[in-house]
Amino acid sequence: AQKITQTQPGMFVQEKEAVTLDCTYDTSDPSYGLFWYKQPSSGEMIFLIYQGSYDQQNATEGRYSLNFQKARKSANLVISASQLGDSAMYFCAMRELRYGNNRLAFGKGNQVVVIP
Amino acid sequence: DVKVTQSSRYLVKRTGEKVFLECVQDMDHENMFWYRQDPGLGLRLIYFSYDVKMKEKGDIPEGYSVSREKKERFSLILESASTNQTSMYLCASSLADSRHTEAFFGQGTRLTVV
Repeated sequence: AQKITQTQPGMFVQEKEAVTLDCTYDTSDPSYGLFWYKQPSSGEMIFLIYQGSYDQQNATEGRYSLNFQKARKSANLVISASQLGDSAMYFCAMRELRYGNNRLAFGKGNQVVVIP
Repeated sequence: DVKVTQSSRYLVKRTGEKVFLECVQDMDHENMFWYRQDPGLGLRLIYFSYDVKMKEKGDIPEGYSVSREKKERFSLILESASTNQTSMYLCASSLADSRHTEAFFGQGTRLTVV
């Protein structure tokens, strides 16, 4: 069953504007981690940001921040001040630790195109 | 510099061939993963391994098997390649027993089955 949902169609964003990418997840495990990755056209997977289920504060890494709403099971990525180099696919992922299982599951991704 | 290396960037194989995709990591990670990536479907987990000789099925294991004889190497095997296995294959590794550690990815293998 799909555990990570990313449903937005491809997005066009004006350079220097902020963009929010939606991610909802489904788990009954109280201990889990959420990750966002970027995949530019070159194909490499680049880790951006992490949020733990017990973290009290929303994660931030430079221009990336995570809007974590645990009760709603959402972990939206916010990219501030978009740059042309932000054009890429963005994937949300979750690791559950139930039964010591370290499985890492990904969503289908969001395509972002930054326009000058 | 941490590294996950996949043996081939591009592969073309014939239907029915046995295909081996190799992945090596130099970070002493316990966990290793194989995903396939298709447009509109994201990354789907085929198999993962949490220790030498240990493996678990992912979401789409049919038609695939894996081997992990050494900690640093995780092989994906297509027993009898079919055209619907044409895809991008991504290998990843991570530390075990922690929510916090991200997975590191290889550069991907673009497999075409003709």
